Amino acid sequence: GAGVSQSPSNKVTEKGKDVELRCDPISGHTALYWYRQSLGQGLEFLIYFQGNSAPDKSGLPSDRFSAERTGGSVSTLTIQRTQQEDSAVYLCASSPDRNSYEQYFGPGTRLTVT
Amino acid sequence: DAKTTQPPSMDCAEGRAANLPCNHSTISGNEYVYWYRQIHSQGPQYIIHGLKNNETNEMASLIITEDRKSSTLILPHATLRDTAVYYCIVGSTYNTDKLIFGTGTRLQVFP
Repeated sequence: GAGVSQSPSNKVTEKGKDVELRCDPISGHTALYWYRQSLGQGLEFLIYFQGNSAPDKSGLPSDRFSAERTGGSVSTLTIQRTQQEDSAVYLCASSPDRNSYEQYFGPGTRLTVT
Repeated sequence: DAKTTQPPSMDCAEGRAANLPCNHSTISGNEYVYWYRQIHSQGPQYIIHGLKNNETNEMASLIITEDRKSSTLILPHATLRDTAVYYCIVGSTYNTDKLIFGTGTRLQVFP
């Protein structure tokens, strides 16, 4: 079946603009995760959804970052007033539920802020 | 904190076994060891996980020491496509809300 998909695959934006990144999880997966990976670094946890609610927002780096999930499916990560330090690959993952041992990752969105 | 320590890089000849070590000396009784890998320009991929017994699947074997303070991921016959960054992660099956990835081991398989 289809895996996790993310769009766009690449996004170049000017500093100060807002961007929206989209994640389509595997159908039926109730848990959804956002991470980001800066060049040459490991993955940094951002936020986690169980259904439409986000019990853990602890990883969001600032109030410019927000995320929502509707219908227990698609999720959108929004970055307002982008800064150059926001440049990174943003990865989304899903799993059948929060107790699953395996997370399935999408290919990521490469964000470049100029 | 990643709670695990891995060598930054390793090399392995194609066809030979790749043995990737991981130290997790502060692991607690209900925590599992997970391994993921990330091939260049792709998202991470789950490989295997275990609690205290050795585990094997179609991709790899996981050997966990008796005191559970360290483990080794074994790729029995490495291929060029196994070149990737391998992440060892410690977490609870009942709280896999977020995986704490460290910097991993960059495995280079050469012909």
